[in-house]
Formats: sequence, C-alpha cells, structure tokens
Amino acid sequence: AQSVTQPDIHITVSEGASLELRCNYSYGATPYLFWYVQSPGQGLQLLLKYFSGDTLVQGIKGFEAEFKRSQSSFNLRKPSVHWSDAAEYFCAVAPYNNNDMRFGAGTRLTVKP
Amino acid sequence: GAGVSQTPSNKVTEKGKYVELRCDPISGHTALYWYRQSLGQGPEFLIYFQGTGAADDSGLPNDRFFAVRPEGSVSTLKIQRTERGDSAVYLCASSLRGSRNTGELFFGEGSRLTVL
Repeated sequence: AQSVTQPDIHITVSEGASLELRCNYSYGATPYLFWYVQSPGQGLQLLLKYFSGDTLVQGIKGFEAEFKRSQSSFNLRKPSVHWSDAAEYFCAVAPYNNNDMRFGAGTRLTVKP
Repeated sequence: GAGVSQTPSNKVTEKGKYVELRCDPISGHTALYWYRQSLGQGPEFLIYFQGTGAADDSGLPNDRFFAVRPEGSVSTLKIQRTERGDSAVYLCASSLRGSRNTGELFFGEGSRLTVL
C-alpha cells in the first residue's frame, strides 16, 4: 500500500537559516510527488510538484525539492527561511492520474527571530 | 468563484445528529475530492468525484458517510448519526482533468465539525 512518511513532527529554525524537511514514500512505482503548505486559517497551497524529468524542482516562495529514487525521498529545502514561512508542511503522493492523493502527517515549522 | 468554497466554516452538533457539508469547486474543475483532517494529522482521503460519479470512495470510513455531486459541480458530504470521533476539519479540493491537468489540487479552507 502506498504511504508517505514525514519523520519530523516539529522543526524549529532561526530566521535566515537553511531548512530541509524530509519526506519518504512507499509506492509500487514512482508516483507524482507534491509539497503543500498550510498556514493557520488558510487552505492548503501547492509549493511544488514532481512528475518526471529533472529531479530538482523549483517551487514558489523560494522552495525547492529533490527527488531521489534510490532513497524513495522527496525532501523540501529552502536556503534562507523567513518568519512568514512558519506553517505546517505536507508531503503528498499520487498515482499518475492524481486521484487518491495521500498525505503525510505533516511537519510543523517554527521560525525563531 | 475564484477559489474552492466550503460551507459552513464551523459546525457544532450533538452526537447522533445528521450533518451536511457543502463544497463549491472552482468553475470548470471536473474533479472534486473530500479529505478529513484530524488534529495533528495530514489530510485523509475520503472520496473522489470525476464529474457526477464517485470514481473512488474507498476512503469513506463507514456507511454513515455519503457524498453526492448531482450536477457535476457542487458536492455535499453527508454524515449520519454523528459520533464524537467524526470531529475534524473536512477539506474539499478540486482540480482540472484531462490534457490540462497540472496535477495540482486546489483546496478550500475546510469545514470544522465538532460533535459534542
């Protein structure tokens, strides 16, 4: 069965520091991979996605993610975190036709001044 | 509308009551999804519609949960004989299908259901 694991429940980083949020998936084939962000009082917003091709994908708000097939991972990174990045981040996987998208449990990011 | 709209934003009900949650997707989006998000958890897939039909309802937890989308646009999630464990935020999302499918789901802000 497909599953998504986000090992870190909560991460705290200082403003300006770099960030990496981990995501591992278990799936029969390489699925579509996504990162969504959820800010308080707002709906989930897509940060970036990977379907095929270049394994390093760029997203909005300065985020990027790297797909590593050998590790079944799709980690999210940002070189310099801003206070406004504090939110809940969800990794998600979906089969090619996008129904039955499954989400990880999320990682809550706190940004220290 | 501009985005996915969900009503009500908050619903408090008593155990055993019937509840309806409404989702109005983005105009032109033929795919519609319902998810449930419990505190501290990621969204849990419930059901997916393609047009008027439920293409995948494997995530509905039991027969107290039912969803419809009679005209291929607005959808209603119906919960009968609510239980305290049904308390969660119910999220609706929509997406384009076919050759213009970008893979992105557009989410509403959710309906928070509290069962007392």
